[in-house]
Amino acid sequence: QKEVEQNSGPLSVPEGAIASLNCTYSDRGSQSFFWYRQYSGKSPELIMFIYSNGDKEDGRFTAQLNKASQYVSLLIRDSQPSDSATYLCAVNQNDYKLSFGAGTTVTVRA
Amino acid sequence: GAGVSQSPSNKVTEKGKDVELRCDPISGHTALYWYRQSLGQGLEFLIYFQGNSAPDKSGLPSDRFSAERTGGSVSTLTIQRTQQEDSAVYLCASSLAPGNSGNTIYFGEGSWLTVV
Repeated sequence: QKEVEQNSGPLSVPEGAIASLNCTYSDRGSQSFFWYRQYSGKSPELIMFIYSNGDKEDGRFTAQLNKASQYVSLLIRDSQPSDSATYLCAVNQNDYKLSFGAGTTVTVRA
Repeated sequence: GAGVSQSPSNKVTEKGKDVELRCDPISGHTALYWYRQSLGQGLEFLIYFQGNSAPDKSGLPSDRFSAERTGGSVSTLTIQRTQQEDSAVYLCASSLAPGNSGNTIYFGEGSWLTVV
């Protein structure tokens, strides 16, 4: 079992819709959860992090964490064509090492 | 510099040759990481530096891989006797302190290595 699993996609959504990305992880001891956005040919860029159960909102992005279910998600509201990218879920293994999922590719249709 | 700088950005090498990949972290960042990303895969942890020391080298795939960091700044990842399976993007990242305590990890643009 992979440490961090994501649906690879592609996830295609119309402009203005909500994109919902899911991530599950295997290590119950994980405390920190991150979402990175990676445009094609570019480096990953941190867009959200969450440590506590519940929701965390930042602009059009909402991260949701459920530690009991070992599940973290990212919602992108009012999706824009510029949101088209691969979204990587990352979970801490310790205080410096991250385990990454393979990423979900999102395409926003204009 | 303004961001994490890596060189070369692209490298094509023949199987069996040695390659060196360089990373210049953000000034003042004591933590430095190397990750590898193969096509369609997530990022794979290779090594972590805190200052000049590497407390965790557990992700290095084999003894053909080594890395060093000097002056608490520039790091070099060396791959000896390259193999085709080494073809990947090698990403360097840095942070003020270990990233999972809330310090943002910033990634460089990567060095794209192709072994032919």
